[in-house]
Amino acid sequence: AQTVTQSQPEMSVQEAETVTLSCTYDTSENNYYLFWYKQPPSRQMILVIRQEAYKQQNATENRFSVNFQKAAKSFSLKISDSQLGDTAMYFCAFMKQADMRFGAGTRLTVKP
Amino acid sequence: DTAVSQTPKYLVTQMGNDKSIKCEQNLGHDTMYWYKQDSKKFLKIMFSYNNKELIINETVPNRFSPKSPDKAHLNLHINSLELGDSAVYFCASSQDPGSYNSPLHFGNGTRLTVT
Repeated sequence: AQTVTQSQPEMSVQEAETVTLSCTYDTSENNYYLFWYKQPPSRQMILVIRQEAYKQQNATENRFSVNFQKAAKSFSLKISDSQLGDTAMYFCAFMKQADMRFGAGTRLTVKP
Repeated sequence: DTAVSQTPKYLVTQMGNDKSIKCEQNLGHDTMYWYKQDSKKFLKIMFSYNNKELIINETVPNRFSPKSPDKAHLNLHINSLELGDSAVYFCASSQDPGSYNSPLHFGNGTRLTVT
């Protein structure tokens, strides 16, 4: 099975600053999908951004963007202009067919 | 309307009991999942069903039995509950698994506490 590694258990950032969360994965597959999910204290799982492995262009969604390096098997999430509401657990996920695997998560705290 | 709904939201029970968690999705999706999130927030896939057929069955004790009466429902029954079963259980669904346009849609989770 694929493995997903998030090496930063906790991070913090000042409001309005930029922060980057790291994610690496291990797979022998060529076609797959990558996602970042956010889990605020309410425990809802909210999709933040997605990326297709066969697309070289990095995905962006408003203040959220990714740096996808396929050869390095790296998929980092950049949050610009951080807001207090961005405080949450962030999970990186790898998906192939019906199998989605998650990293251990990074707890992000945005400080006022 | 809630897209993926789980009941109950909280469940407190004693060791040895049998309990069920229900999940329903009104998105018309073909694939449904159960994930377990432990106290360290780690999310682990347990089961996946596509059109009522089991397609993923991770190494889960056979005390856990999923049941899919139709493609809109995937219930989780747990026999002989143990302390280690305490966790948050998430149901999820996907239209076309493994597709860019089909990420997982999650329910709000069921917090199970075994005492």
